[in-house]
Amino acid sequence: SQQGEEDPQALSIQEGENATMNCSYKTSINNLQWYRQNSGRGLVHLILIRSNEREKHSGRLRVTLDTSKKSSSLLITASRAADTASYFCATDGGGSNYKLTFGKGTLLTVNP
Amino acid sequence: EAQVTQNPRYLITVTGKKLTVTCSQNMNHEYMSWYRQDPGLGLRQIYYSMNVEVTDKGDVPEGYKVSRKEKRNFPLILESPSPNQTSLYFCASSPGDRIISPLHFGNGTRLTVT
Repeated sequence: SQQGEEDPQALSIQEGENATMNCSYKTSINNLQWYRQNSGRGLVHLILIRSNEREKHSGRLRVTLDTSKKSSSLLITASRAADTASYFCATDGGGSNYKLTFGKGTLLTVNP
Repeated sequence: EAQVTQNPRYLITVTGKKLTVTCSQNMNHEYMSWYRQDPGLGLRQIYYSMNVEVTDKGDVPEGYKVSRKEKRNFPLILESPSPNQTSLYFCASSPGDRIISPLHFGNGTRLTVT
């Protein structure tokens, strides 16, 4: 079953603009993670936010988490052509759940 | 270099011919998992393992087997592959026996079953 769902499915922006992607999920979580995937390659972890955190930063990345709305957003500031990739959110199922479930991803295209 | 290594990178086989995709990690991670990725369906978990000799089903385990005899290795076995198992497969690992830490992914195995 799909726990996280990203929105939009695809996003096209110009270099230098900000990109915002959203993730909604259905059940309680211990943490939410964001990953990036360049075409056909393995996923790379970007950032993890715990359920008791509301915001986290890493370089040009900013992640927010609203557990009351069961949603998260990933903001990439001052985007670059090299940021072109698919972005996935992943959630566990809370408690002692050992599964990490991924959404279907947002395909971000940054045009030079 | 810390990494998750999958082999082979590409595999074309025929229906019913048993195959194994190997996965090895050199980071002494407790947790390992297999995912398949299909267009429009995202990544779906096949099996996972919290430690040696401890495995459990993910969301799409039918048609697959796994084993965890050593900490570093977690092979994925298709006893009788079928065309609907044509997919891009990823192995991943994580420190600790809880999926709290980030996953480290291999580079994937693209399997085609004809």
